[in-house]
Amino acid sequence: KNEVEQSPQNLTAQEGEFITINCSYSVGISALHWLQQHPGGGIVSLFMLSSGKKKHGRLIATINIQEKHSSLHITASHPRDSAVYICAAPSNTDKLIFGTGTRLQVFP
Amino acid sequence: ETGVTQTPRHLVMGMTNKKSLKCEQHLGHNAMYWYKQSAKKPLELMFVYNFKEQTENNSVPSRFSPECPNSSHLFLHLHTLQPEDSALYLCASSLLPGLTYNEQFFGPGTRLTVL
Repeated sequence: KNEVEQSPQNLTAQEGEFITINCSYSVGISALHWLQQHPGGGIVSLFMLSSGKKKHGRLIATINIQEKHSSLHITASHPRDSAVYICAAPSNTDKLIFGTGTRLQVFP
Repeated sequence: ETGVTQTPRHLVMGMTNKKSLKCEQHLGHNAMYWYKQSAKKPLELMFVYNFKEQTENNSVPSRFSPECPNSSHLFLHLHTLQPEDSALYLCASSLLPGLTYNEQFFGPGTRLTVL
């Protein structure tokens, strides 16, 4: 069992829909990272959060430390949001443990 | 040029070849990383360099040999690879060492195919 699990693995949506991607982790963490990987392979760091909620444009990330769960929300989704979204949690040896990613496709 | 760059973007090599991947960051960062991303698997950390010193080798086979001549450049030397080494190799950097609280900036990756 991976220490960082994401759901769903694949997600399709119509443009404008509200998207939620979930991440559960079994390692004890102090911060969690959300990353976005575009089809070409490049990865961009979206959020690093250790409590509560962070917002950047149409993206919102929340975390519940007690439940060891984080969610990434996309409001008013757009085809350019199509990508793989990856969550990563630091281990107690300061390494990042990555989830397998959620592949999102938004259709016009 | 800004950000983290990687060359080449695509590489096809035979099992007896020797090749090198190059990563360069123009961000003034002090930590650099090599990751491997195989199909349908999570990202795997391979090597960590902090202030030019290797601080992490995540049980990587010796056919992968990293080199960090300065804080801005990172190489991954490849020799006698196996077909299962075919993957996307990503370089990243962060301002300071430590993966817990530091944002990483990734390069576009090198897509490696070993025949």
